[in-house]
Amino acid sequence: NAGVTQTPKFRVLKTGQSMTLLCAQDMNHEYMYWYRQDPGMGLRLIHYSVGEGTTAKGEVPDGYNVSRLKKQNFLLGLESAAPSQTSVYFCASSYVAGGPPGELFFGEGSRLTVL
Amino acid sequence: GDSVTQMEGPVTLSEEAFLTINCTYTATGYPSLFWYVQYPGEGLQLLLKATKADDKGSNKGFEATYRKETTSFHLEKGSVQVSDSAVYFCALKQLVGSQGNLIFGKGTKLSVKP
Repeated sequence: NAGVTQTPKFRVLKTGQSMTLLCAQDMNHEYMYWYRQDPGMGLRLIHYSVGEGTTAKGEVPDGYNVSRLKKQNFLLGLESAAPSQTSVYFCASSYVAGGPPGELFFGEGSRLTVL
Repeated sequence: GDSVTQMEGPVTLSEEAFLTINCTYTATGYPSLFWYVQYPGEGLQLLLKATKADDKGSNKGFEATYRKETTSFHLEKGSVQVSDSAVYFCALKQLVGSQGNLIFGKGTKLSVKP
């Protein structure tokens, strides 16, 4: 019963390096989200996807790119990492946006440090 | 835009004490309201929710009532345990046009001492 799985769970980068965070869900959810969590800031939405092949910007999209080539996977990329991107990143998924409000299911988080 | 404000932490209580974490919101229309909990080293989990005015969400001894007149959704528990130590997030979701996204408060860290 995996739910939402994020890899890697920890990563240290140097400024300017690139990396990709992978999120995989096995619940056949349509909607997927990437959030970042910073002390005193709560969770802020980076990008989201309402279905395979679609992505959209959230509240804080700058410096990140995403792709949703398969329904079950949502990738978050950092092209040129900056110290300001040091954070804990959470992926989440939900079944449907409209109609009765759905619960978001979260992964365990990926802690990224940019030196 | 829509927003959620919750009380600043951290909150430290003794076991069996009464807990209240305040949450108020600003939103157009009639959003759904949620409390999520994040235990140390884990992702967020839904604790309870309410979808319309005067609804009461409850789970694991926690309760919150959707108060439209005061735009509030305060979290309460009558007797906390050490295992309740976690960060609690209040959140709202619009039924229409939100792409399913939740708007989160900044979180309140609760520590319960034996």
